[in-house]
Amino acid sequence: AQKVTQAQTEISVVEKEDVTLDCVYETRDTTYYLFWYKQPPSGELVFLIRRNSFDEQNEISGRYSWNFQKSTSSFNFTITASQVVDSAVYFCALRWNYGQNFVFGPGTRLSVLP
Amino acid sequence: KAGVTQTPRYLIKTRGQQVTLSCSPISGHRSVSWYQQTPGQGLQFLFEYFSETQRNKGNFPGRFSGRQFSNSRSEMNVSTLELGDSALYLCASSLESSLSETQYFGPGTRLLVL
Repeated sequence: AQKVTQAQTEISVVEKEDVTLDCVYETRDTTYYLFWYKQPPSGELVFLIRRNSFDEQNEISGRYSWNFQKSTSSFNFTITASQVVDSAVYFCALRWNYGQNFVFGPGTRLSVLP
Repeated sequence: KAGVTQTPRYLIKTRGQQVTLSCSPISGHRSVSWYQQTPGQGLQFLFEYFSETQRNKGNFPGRFSGRQFSNSRSEMNVSTLELGDSALYLCASSLESSLSETQYFGPGTRLLVL
């Protein structure tokens, strides 16, 4: 079965600290996509990144970076020099080739304190 | 380009009633998916529509149904409401219905069943 685990329920950091959000996924498909979304208090999910199963290159976008490792089935997300505006719930999601659409992890609530 | 819009934003209903939620996708997007978000179950996929046809369906009872119109707008209907249907209902749109497509989410409709 397809599954996404985000073991960290809540994380609190002080502004300017670096923080890593963990995501571990399970799938037997060889073709799949992984996503990260941010959900601020307003409720709307904001797309952050998409990565396919054949592309293990890490990616950096400004203060955000992602580390995809198929060997450990992980797709971790790091925010460098966190800011108060980064406070939100972050979801990791998996989409595979057959059957249901997306499966989301339970989310990690990040609080960045001033 | 306007984002995904959902109406109404908030709704209060009583048990046994039915409700219809509406979603207008981003212009040019032909796929619309619906999700239910609750504190206990997290984000769960309901169904996806593409070109007026249901493409995928999650594990929800038949009380949950949807449809898509020729202009790609979609509606979701829940009949015989139960207390457990109280949730944030999110709609997402994408250009096509394929594995690699990124879904863009609307602000959601918050439904409260009394």
